[in-house]
Amino acid sequence: GDSVTQMEGPVTLSEEAFLTINCTYTATGYPSLFWYVQYPGEGLQLLLKATKADDKGSNKGFEATYRKETTSFHLEKGSVQVSDSAVYFCALSEGGFKTIFGAGTRLFVKA
Amino acid sequence: DTGVSQDPRHKITKRGQNVTFRCDPISEHNRLYWYRQTLGQGPEFLTYFQNEAQLEKSRLLSDRFSAERPKGSFSTLEIQRTEQGDSAMYLCASSFDGQGDPEAFFGQGTRLTVV
Repeated sequence: GDSVTQMEGPVTLSEEAFLTINCTYTATGYPSLFWYVQYPGEGLQLLLKATKADDKGSNKGFEATYRKETTSFHLEKGSVQVSDSAVYFCALSEGGFKTIFGAGTRLFVKA
Repeated sequence: DTGVSQDPRHKITKRGQNVTFRCDPISEHNRLYWYRQTLGQGPEFLTYFQNEAQLEKSRLLSDRFSAERPKGSFSTLEIQRTEQGDSAMYLCASSFDGQGDPEAFFGQGTRLTVV
């Protein structure tokens, strides 16, 4: 079945460092890909999405490109802030019937 | 509309008791999903409704679990004869059945602790 694998955390960075969180997926069809973020004490929020190959999703300085050839959707940000500290989930959905999530990667950003 | 609402936010129950959670989706959303999230893991799909019809159930949803969405609006998730392994965060999400893969909006969850 469909699945999502993302890099294990925690990831600890200093403020203004470059962030990459790797995500790869397995799917039978052509899913949409998502990154969700969960800030401490809050619910899951959609960060960005891409619906087809070579699409780039972006939001709040974060970017991810849908790479069909490598089945990847890596999350990047050029300069992280302390306020970016959260858990990040890579996810996919086919047909919108359910979303399959990775295990999550916790990010700590130090001032 | 302030988003997906879940009640209660926290529930502590003794093993063997029944519990019921409620989810109020975003009003125009016709799809509603239940997920379970345990510590250090991503959400796992439990079940999905399109309007009032329950269209898919995960094998994670044992016969002690039942979900309803009687009028296609709010939904309830009941767990009978709770076990310690049921301790988790139960998340509800909703979406609108439009083109492509719709974005799911999540509630803040109900944290269940079975003692």
